Amino acid sequence: KQEVTQIPAALSVPEGENLVLNCSFTDSAIYNLQWFRQDPGKGLTSLLLIQSSQREQTSGRLNASLDKSSGRSTLYIAASQPGDSATYLCAVTAGNKLTFGGGTRVLVKP
Amino acid sequence: GAGVSQTPSNKVTEKGKYVELRCDPISGHTALYWYRQSLGQGPEFLIYFQGTGAADDSGLPNDRFFAVRPEGSVSTLKIQRTERGDSAVYLCASSLKGRENEQFFGPGTRLTVL
Repeated sequence: KQEVTQIPAALSVPEGENLVLNCSFTDSAIYNLQWFRQDPGKGLTSLLLIQSSQREQTSGRLNASLDKSSGRSTLYIAASQPGDSATYLCAVTAGNKLTFGGGTRVLVKP
Repeated sequence: GAGVSQTPSNKVTEKGKYVELRCDPISGHTALYWYRQSLGQGPEFLIYFQGTGAADDSGLPNDRFFAVRPEGSVSTLKIQRTERGDSAVYLCASSLKGRENEQFFGPGTRLTVL
């Protein structure tokens, strides 16, 4: 059974620092990996999707890497802003369902 | 509509009652998913529809939970004899046929069982 773990569970940084969020998964037979953002009381917004054949994806200040062999992904957010405060979830896809980690709750202090 | 919508946004009920949660997927999306997110945790898969039929219901925790999608669009998640442990946010997602790995999520329904 696929298990996805995110460490740390919570992170607080001053504005301007780079954020590094970690995700690990136990079964490397995945179709893709996604990073989502969740704001309180809101649904999930997809940030980046990395296909299993890819090593990384970039969008603006966000960069996500994928190492299938070691079962790891890292989300980097450069020059963090208070508006980046949210919960970040990673999810792996095998078949038609997503398996999520527990999320990292991020607070960027002005 | 522009996105996935879910109603109600909040539902408070008493232990033992029956509840229905509704999901309106993005127009044209044939695949629909239900997830449950308990406090402080990531969403957990419940059930997946392709069209009108449940293609995978392996995530439903027990027979008190049931979901339907009679016309291949709107879906209703039904919970009988609710328990306090059913309290969670219930998320719905939809995707295009052939793009089942790119799911778009609704805002969720927060269910509280007293």
